[in-house]
Amino acid sequence: NAGVTQTPKFRILKIGQSMTLQCAQDMNHNYMYWYRQDPGMGLKLIYYSVGAGITDKGEVPNGYNVSRSTTEDFPLRLELAAPSQTSVYFCASSYSARGEDTQYFGPGTRLTVL
Amino acid sequence: GENVEQHPSTLSVQEGDSAVIKCTYSDSASNYFPWYKQELGKRPQLIIDIRSNVGEKKDQRIAVTLNKTAKHFSLHITETQPEDSAVYFCAALDSGAGSYQLTFGKGTKLSVIP
Repeated sequence: NAGVTQTPKFRILKIGQSMTLQCAQDMNHNYMYWYRQDPGMGLKLIYYSVGAGITDKGEVPNGYNVSRSTTEDFPLRLELAAPSQTSVYFCASSYSARGEDTQYFGPGTRLTVL
Repeated sequence: GENVEQHPSTLSVQEGDSAVIKCTYSDSASNYFPWYKQELGKRPQLIIDIRSNVGEKKDQRIAVTLNKTAKHFSLHITETQPEDSAVYFCAALDSGAGSYQLTFGKGTKLSVIP
């Protein structure tokens, strides 16, 4: 099993550009999450999904969109990139129906917006 | 919403000594408390977790204690080794709230000096 995979690993965007961060998992997990990690600030939840077709906002959803058309994939869309979105983005997945379970993280995408 | 405070932000110990990291949480309904370890440039990985019906849990050199009355929980690492050097994050979850959102602390950078 590859676990949780993310592409790309690195990306530089110009202000106003758009991009999609890809995330896939092969563990048949229903629950998937997108976090951003800023230096010294821990992990903040952007969006999460409890299954195909179901998504919900986390703590910091502004400027982002997600979709979940399959169990395996959970892409994160940035429509109009801003310098405040410079961060490391982690996708994660878990099996549990109530959040009380190990979250398996992907390797991360380091995004810089200039 | 939940608020998790983590202390200290940095911690240096001599190899073989013990390390203690403390977290407090604000929502008395929180009932699940995981700890994640993140090595430099790597993804976070779960090292131990505890549920609110348990006061202490051990796994080899790692232990976590929970005081529900005081709303704080701690990570204890004994006989520290250089490979324990990493950033450690605590988190809290109210699984009964139906939001499935982990709230993370800001992290503690542990350095184990050989």
